[in-house]
Amino acid sequence: IAGITQAPTSQILAAGRRMTLRCTQDMRHNAMYWYRQDLGLGLRLIHYSNTAGTTGKGEVPDGYSVSRANTDDFPLTLASAVPSQTSVYFCASSGGQGAFHEQFFGPGTRLTVL
Amino acid sequence: QQQVKQSPQSLIVQKGGISIINCAYENTAFDYFPWYQQFPGKGPALLIAIRPDVSEKKEGRFTISFNKSAKQFSLHIMDSQPGDSATYFCAAATGNQFYFGTGTSLTVIP
Repeated sequence: IAGITQAPTSQILAAGRRMTLRCTQDMRHNAMYWYRQDLGLGLRLIHYSNTAGTTGKGEVPDGYSVSRANTDDFPLTLASAVPSQTSVYFCASSGGQGAFHEQFFGPGTRLTVL
Repeated sequence: QQQVKQSPQSLIVQKGGISIINCAYENTAFDYFPWYQQFPGKGPALLIAIRPDVSEKKEGRFTISFNKSAKQFSLHIMDSQPGDSATYFCAAATGNQFYFGTGTSLTVIP
């Protein structure tokens, strides 16, 4: 049972390049989330999706886009990376929409933008 | 602006002692208050959560105390063990919007 997988594990990227972080879950969860974790700031929600075909903005959505073509996959795209997007990115999923449902987190992707 | 304020930033406790981490929030729309535990190199994992209609929830050695009028909630870890050494995050949520505290690094000394 894999749960949530994220790829790549880590990446160094030149500023201005496009990058897609991949997230796949095998729990058939409806809701999925993307967070970034920065020292001293905790985790901040970037985007979320309640079900396949729908997405919503979190606390810090600027510079990021997501899509939810099916239940299992929820990729996060940086169209033109900037150094301030250097962070650890976590994908999460939950069996229900919104609060009251436990979120399961992936192992994270460490992204460095130079 | 930090929606959820967490303290202390770090905490050192002797084995067998009580670890206490505090969080405060302002938005009265929050209706779900989870605590997460994170080990180095891993993603956060849900530890325990509470809704605002109860003042306390206990699961094993972990207890959440919730004070709705003060808009504060805290995590108590009883009989702290070295294996509890990790970073702890509180969060507050409403709908799909989750806001996390800045984290507390807990070290339990044998």
